[in-house]
Amino acid sequence: NAGVTQTPKFRVLKTGQSMTLLCAQDMNHEYMYWYRQDPGMGLRLIHYSVGEGTTAKGEVPDGYNVSRLKKQNFLLGLESAAPSQTSVYFCASTQDLNYGYTFGSGTRLTVV
Amino acid sequence: GESVGLHLPTLSVQEGDNSIINCAYSNSASDYFIWYKQESGKGPQFIIDIRSNMDKRQGQRVTVLLNKTVKHLSLQIAATQPGDSAVYFCAERHSGYALNFGKGTSLLVTP
Repeated sequence: NAGVTQTPKFRVLKTGQSMTLLCAQDMNHEYMYWYRQDPGMGLRLIHYSVGEGTTAKGEVPDGYNVSRLKKQNFLLGLESAAPSQTSVYFCASTQDLNYGYTFGSGTRLTVV
Repeated sequence: GESVGLHLPTLSVQEGDNSIINCAYSNSASDYFIWYKQESGKGPQFIIDIRSNMDKRQGQRVTVLLNKTVKHLSLQIAATQPGDSAVYFCAERHSGYALNFGKGTSLLVTP
């Protein structure tokens, strides 16, 4: 019962580099989300998906792209990393909007 | 967008006491509320939820109270234990597909 798995757990990038964060869920959930968590800011929604092949922008989408080619995977991409993207990134999923999310354990990203 | 706020950023309680963590929300259309617990270095964990047609819900050692009149949500933890030390977030949904999270309250349980 893996739930929501995020890889990698830690990463250090140089400004301008690109990377992809992977989120995988084994619960057959329709809805998937990417949040970032910064000190004193709570969780802010970056992008989300309401099903395979769909994506939508959240509160803070700039500088990020996402893809949901397979139902179980939700990828978050940074094309050209900036220090402002230093954060902890959480992926979450749910089968039903009337229920809460299951979260992954997070990816701590530092951009230098 | 709508914001979800918490009254206190930190709360310190003695082991064995009851804890109360408060949350205010601003959108009267909010219909679903959740409390999450986040331990250091981990992702948020679901604690308890409540829908807008209820004003109280109880779980194991936890109770959530909803006052729609003043748009206020609280989480009560009975007989607080050291393992309860964490950051607690409230979240609400009023429209769309995503939950809105508050900034969190840090609960510290002292012996």
